[in-house]
Amino acid sequence: KAGVTQTPRYLIKTRGQQVTLSCSPISGHRSVSWYQQTPGQGLQFLFEYFSETQRNKGNFPGRFSGRQFSNSRSEMNVSTLELGDSALYLCASSSSTGGAEDEQFFGPGTRLTVL
Amino acid sequence: AQSVTQPDIHITVSEGASLELRCNYSYGATPYLFWYVQSPGQGLQLLLKYFSGDTLVQGIKGFEAEFKRSQSSFNLRKPSVHWSDAAEYFCAVGAWELSFGAGTTVTVRA
Repeated sequence: KAGVTQTPRYLIKTRGQQVTLSCSPISGHRSVSWYQQTPGQGLQFLFEYFSETQRNKGNFPGRFSGRQFSNSRSEMNVSTLELGDSALYLCASSSSTGGAEDEQFFGPGTRLTVL
Repeated sequence: AQSVTQPDIHITVSEGASLELRCNYSYGATPYLFWYVQSPGQGLQLLLKYFSGDTLVQGIKGFEAEFKRSQSSFNLRKPSVHWSDAAEYFCAVGAWELSFGAGTTVTVRA
């Protein structure tokens, strides 16, 4: 089974631009979560989608948004980029049951640099 | 609110020596607890998890962790460290929304 894939792996943007990151979960997985990892703040939860619905949301401004498609692929969008948005963005998928105890499988991440 | 504290930012151990990484959590109910490992430039890999039952949990790569409710701790251990264990280790608590500790970087010296 293929793992979680994230595209692109690296991105360079300038302040004020917007960016879209993509995540393809493991086949059969219906839950997708997004996390931001920075040296200063560590790993922080952004949001989680299950069957195309946002089920949980972290404490991030509205510039951060996401969606999930019927095939469980997910995208996250960041508008009006700020320097502080430079981070590794990790996507994780978990199994079809949607239970809280399901293991989250993480992708390799997208490294976003904002100049 | 849920939170995790990893008191040790960096640990250096000799190859073959034992390793223990500390984790303290705060959670309103029975916690779901996890340990993940991250190698440079990689995503997170799950080492082990605890939901209920036996408080000593076995994981991959020879790691184990012990859940102690009275101490709100979930420490990770390995009896004999290999050079390939050099990485960053994260303790996490939660369900769909994981709260991670700040991580402990492990350096293995020959």
